[in-house]
Amino acid sequence: AAGVIQSPRHLIKEKRETATLKCYPIPRHDTVYWYQQGPGQDPQFLISFYEKMQSDKGSIPDRFSAQQFSDYHSELNMSSLELGDSALYFCASSGQGRTDTQYFGPGTRLTVL
Amino acid sequence: KQEVTQIPAALSVPEGENLVLNCSFTDSAIYNLQWFRQDPGKGLTSLLLIQSSQREQTSGRLNASLDKSSGRSTLYIAASQPGDSATYLCATRSNSGYALNFGKGTSLLVTP
Repeated sequence: AAGVIQSPRHLIKEKRETATLKCYPIPRHDTVYWYQQGPGQDPQFLISFYEKMQSDKGSIPDRFSAQQFSDYHSELNMSSLELGDSALYFCASSGQGRTDTQYFGPGTRLTVL
Repeated sequence: KQEVTQIPAALSVPEGENLVLNCSFTDSAIYNLQWFRQDPGKGLTSLLLIQSSQREQTSGRLNASLDKSSGRSTLYIAASQPGDSATYLCATRSNSGYALNFGKGTSLLVTP
């Protein structure tokens, strides 16, 4: 079965650079979520989109922005990167809006040097 | 703010044992609760989802229960195997939001 696809899988950036992470949800899923998992931490919710509109917002820094496109894929844009942004970034998707199981992608490991 | 706690933080059992992982949450106004498995450095694999109106869900050797009024859920693993070694996370979704609130997980090691 098709799963959530994230690209790139690994990313290395310098401080103050920008990064763009991409997420392709499971086909026919209309809701996308972004989570950040720091080393040894549990995943923290950043933001979600339902039918291309922002549906919920968590602890996402102002330096980050995200959107969902007409084909339902989503991008997380991160600017002025800091060392503390080094983490695993997960995208998840669900069908039927907020009622369904969230299926997670393999994650993008971002390292900021 | 929802607080999700998982006990124990780590657990080591010999192969073949039945075991129970515990999850508690402070706000009972949840929409559903989901159990995940995470292997080191990998993504989260959804194991079971329990809607707030349900008491339990089963999948193979896994059984998850939910007692919403007391703010507790358990994940029962029958006849554990070394391949079950991973971190198990529970997460709640509130009635009003989309976000999952995660516990810090239980790191399980099943020894041959």
